[in-house]
Amino acid sequence: GENVEQHPSTLSVQEGDSAVIKCTYSDSASNYFPWYKQELGKRPQLIIDIRSNVGEKKDQRIAVTLNKTAKHFSLHITETQPEDSAVYFCAATIIQGAQKLVFGQGTRLTINP
Amino acid sequence: ETGVTQSPTHLIKTRGQQVTLRCSSQSGHNTVSWYQQALGQGPQFIFQYYREEENGRGNFPPRFSGLQFPNYSSELNVNALELDDSALYLCASSPRGGTQYFGPGTRLLVL
Repeated sequence: GENVEQHPSTLSVQEGDSAVIKCTYSDSASNYFPWYKQELGKRPQLIIDIRSNVGEKKDQRIAVTLNKTAKHFSLHITETQPEDSAVYFCAATIIQGAQKLVFGQGTRLTINP
Repeated sequence: ETGVTQSPTHLIKTRGQQVTLRCSSQSGHNTVSWYQQALGQGPQFIFQYYREEENGRGNFPPRFSGLQFPNYSSELNVNALELDDSALYLCASSPRGGTQYFGPGTRLLVL
């Protein structure tokens, strides 16, 4: 079955700097890759997603890149702000039938003022 | 915030008991997925319901069961609770094959 590895597990950056979180997936059939942000005690919130027919997607300060050949995808946050501090999860799935999201282990991002 | 709601927010049970968790899906969504999130871990897929039928299951034993109702709301039932069942239980609703939006979760503690 699908397996998703996420790195790093913790990341600390200075406010205004960029943060990058990387994920690797195992199932080459996976074709949908969402990223969720989870603040302490709250629900995971979708922040951006990408499908396998696209190599990059950007939404303001957030971007995701996908390398299908290497089976890895990354989240890039630019001009980080204190409110970006949270746990970020990547996930992978196949958009067909039961869309079972397989999550990475999470990255705790801390933005230092 | 999404339109997905869950109840109760917190629950304390003892080993061997049974529990029922509830989820109301977002308007227009006909699919509900359930996930278990242990402390410090990513969510793990339990199962998914589409049009009142189970439509896929993760590596969870049969004592985890569910239902989906005609209005697309859903229940997760766990029998014979074990200490390791302590976790945050999340439901996510979506249109068929679409983006999943999570509810706030039910935090279950098994003593």
